[in-house]
Amino acid sequence: KAGVTQTPRYLIKTRGQQVTLSCSPISGHRSVSWYQQTPGQGLQFLFEYFSETQRNKGNFPGRFSGRQFSNSRSEMNVSTLELGDSALYLCASSLGGATKWNEKLFFGSGTQLSVL
Amino acid sequence: ILNVEQSPQSLHVQEGDSTNFTCSFPSSNFYALHWYRWETAKSPEALFVMTLNGDEKKKGRISATLNTKEGYSYLYIKGSQPEDSATYLCAFYNQGGKLIFGQGTELSVKP
Repeated sequence: KAGVTQTPRYLIKTRGQQVTLSCSPISGHRSVSWYQQTPGQGLQFLFEYFSETQRNKGNFPGRFSGRQFSNSRSEMNVSTLELGDSALYLCASSLGGATKWNEKLFFGSGTQLSVL
Repeated sequence: ILNVEQSPQSLHVQEGDSTNFTCSFPSSNFYALHWYRWETAKSPEALFVMTLNGDEKKKGRISATLNTKEGYSYLYIKGSQPEDSATYLCAFYNQGGKLIFGQGTELSVKP
């Protein structure tokens, strides 16, 4: 069974540009969550998608957005990049059922974004 | 406690030592407590999901306990091995439906 796949692995952008990150969940998983990891910070929750709908959202500015497709693949977009957006972005998938708190998350390898 | 707090931040032990870390979380509106292990250059990997007060989970030399009334969980590693070196993350599932992570405990096990 293939794991969670994130692309690209590395990205270098400049301030003001926008970026799109992709996440393919484990087959059969319908929930995809996105997290940001910066030095000195824990994993910060960005948002969660389930069945093409945003089910939950963290405390990030509107420049951060996402979407989910019918095959459960998800994309995350950051517009007007700032230096502080440099981070490791992780996505995680799970079945997303009625008792989702009881489900382990399966993480991808992440996308390392550097904003210059 | 409003957030998830983990202690210590880092730990250096010798091979064979037993060790434990603490995760503190809000004791109200508890849904679940997750533990993950994150090895360098790899993805975080789930260790345990705990939902009931007094719950104890075990996986090999690693075990965890949960006290939802006072808002803490302990992770124990018996006879640490170099391959146990990793960052151990706990995460609290709150009523809002978000999984909130602590900053982790970085464990280094020297041969």
